[in-house]
Amino acid sequence: QKEVEQNSGPLSVPEGAIASLNCTYSDRVSQSFFWYRQYSGKSPELIMSIYSNGDKEDGRFTAQLNKASQYVSLLIRDSQPSDSATYLCAVLFTQGGSEKLVFGKGTKLTVNP
Amino acid sequence: DTEVTQTPKHLVMGMTNKKSLKCEQHMGHRAMYWYKQKAKKPPELMFVYSYEKLSINESVPSRFSPECPNSSLLNLHLHALQPEDSALYLCASSFRTGTNYGYTFGSGTRLTVV
Repeated sequence: QKEVEQNSGPLSVPEGAIASLNCTYSDRVSQSFFWYRQYSGKSPELIMSIYSNGDKEDGRFTAQLNKASQYVSLLIRDSQPSDSATYLCAVLFTQGGSEKLVFGKGTKLTVNP
Repeated sequence: DTEVTQTPKHLVMGMTNKKSLKCEQHMGHRAMYWYKQKAKKPPELMFVYSYEKLSINESVPSRFSPECPNSSLLNLHLHALQPEDSALYLCASSFRTGTNYGYTFGSGTRLTVV
């Protein structure tokens, strides 16, 4: 069973703080990992992809990957009210020669002004 | 063109109706997907098409019937649905170049079964 686990939250942080979102996955051979942001009623929007161990930074967002621990995280620095959304961790799994993206349950983030 | 286009954006159908959802992309992506998303839940994979062939069916009931007429188009035919099938239906397409992987979602079709 290909599984992706996230802290379900909700997570509430004050404006300007760091928000930390965590995710673990079941398949040791997975190589591709993603964080999506989804506003209510909208489709998921890709924020970050990460493929190698370590940190990857893009503006206020930093993704961290530890394949040995099967752990992915997302840090949002200087959080803004507009960051309030559900954040979905997604892992690319291989099944029968095809690839599929499996999502965690999501963490709802609220940034309070 | 860097988009996945889904039509219609909203659909209300009765349990005896037959309808179809349409998804189109012109990015040359050779894998396309249907996901179903219920409120406050993550997207759940339904079908994967790779090079216009169905490669993954996640045990979806036969009242949902996918079709991939060509490399740019993906349909989902709906028949005899139940109210619990009401959800946001998302289409996506993807490409892979080396170790990089790109995955694009459409804006979805909000389906209500009455």
